[in-house]
Amino acid sequence: EAAVTQSPRNKVTVTGGNVTLSCRQTNSHNYMYWYRQDTGHGLRLIHYSYGAGNLQIGDVPDGYKATRTTQEDFFLLLELASPSQTSLYFCASSDAGDQDTQYFGPGTRLLVL
Amino acid sequence: GDSVTQTEGQVALSEEDFLTIHCNYSASGYPALFWYVQYPGEGPQFLFRASRDKEKGSSRGFEATYDKGTTSFHLRKASVQESDSAVYYCALVRGSALGRLHFGAGTQLIVIP
Repeated sequence: EAAVTQSPRNKVTVTGGNVTLSCRQTNSHNYMYWYRQDTGHGLRLIHYSYGAGNLQIGDVPDGYKATRTTQEDFFLLLELASPSQTSLYFCASSDAGDQDTQYFGPGTRLLVL
Repeated sequence: GDSVTQTEGQVALSEEDFLTIHCNYSASGYPALFWYVQYPGEGPQFLFRASRDKEKGSSRGFEATYDKGTTSFHLRKASVQESDSAVYYCALVRGSALGRLHFGAGTQLIVIP
């Protein structure tokens, strides 16, 4: 089973602050994803990647950047954090042969004051 | 655009009750349909999928049947246990957009012992 880890698990920042959320998967999956989870909205896709150096735009990308440095590591960047970005963020990965079976990390809770 | 509607935000049942969580979808073409489950403090986990009309997906005693006529994929379980308490997400992906899951808002299931 794929192992997906996220750091930090909790983060507090101020409006305008710079935040980087990290995700690592250790099962050599090609695909990685960043979601945000909000009450009433479920999970919404922010950015995703097919492999190192590749980046695809998801459904709610505004205010977020992402970078896939290696097959294992995927980062989500908030360069000017806003209170509307207070949320629970999940990273996920999946194999190229079965993209829709996604393995999720434990989540990072972000509070923007 | 593609969307998934889960009509119940929360369902409360007693142990051994029958469970139905409703899921309706809107998408062009012939999407694949999924159920994911999220236990407290964890990321979502894949439960099962169905890809064709009348196909039944099942896992851990849960099942759902793809119904293109009513655009539905309702989750059912004959006898729930306290350990089934979790948030259940219905999701879809169109065949041309592999990996781009669209999730519903989720339904929290509370099972009272």
